[in-house]
Amino acid sequence: DIQMTQSPSSLSASIGDRVTITCRTGQTIGNSLNWYHQRPGRAPKLLISVASNLQSGVPSRFSGSGSGTEFGLTVSNLQPEDFGTYYCQHSHSFGQGTKVEI
Amino acid sequence: EVQLVESGGGLVQPGGSLRLSCAASGFTFSSYWIHWVRHEPRKGLVWVARITNDEGNTAYADSVRGRFTISRDNAKNTVYLQMNSLGLEDTAAYYCARDGGFGTPFDLWGPGTQVIVSS
Repeated sequence: DIQMTQSPSSLSASIGDRVTITCRTGQTIGNSLNWYHQRPGRAPKLLISVASNLQSGVPSRFSGSGSGTEFGLTVSNLQPEDFGTYYCQHSHSFGQGTKVEI
Repeated sequence: EVQLVESGGGLVQPGGSLRLSCAASGFTFSSYWIHWVRHEPRKGLVWVARITNDEGNTAYADSVRGRFTISRDNAKNTVYLQMNSLGLEDTAAYYCARDGGFGTPFDLWGPGTQVIVSS
């Protein structure tokens, strides 16, 4: 399995802030990278597929970028419902998660 | 409603067994691969197993291979995860998720079922 490394592991931000999470992979994967959001006790939710494709119903303040081995997830104008943990994923591998505290 | 719903979790002693079920509704179940992913308290999301839609080809994480078995019944729109020789490290919330196969994302998840392995 491919090594997936997210940074930071956690962050604290305020409402209205812009935050960026990075995911680095151990080998090049093209744009085959997905992002999920999980709140405590809830199922993960797909936010972005193939690096930058925003899923239907996901607010436009979420955006994804990158290719190869380095990817980013940006949340602009952070809202209270955005707290939780964000995971990157490729095939059977997940990053270790980035916990966002408001 | 398009959904996946897991069941079968619970408290089990080390060395014991459980069978989880994942019931699908609202979509063409036989068109999708189904995965089991667990949320481990200190590791986050960890992929466990998957089964393809047609011939039912299976794959497992190294940590569960030989102990867990994934299967599906397309007539019942259900996927199962038979878990044997459970250890403390298997304690987690277990989710089933679907994808369209061949690297597509997990676009639908169930609410999860909790498995606690403890003496």
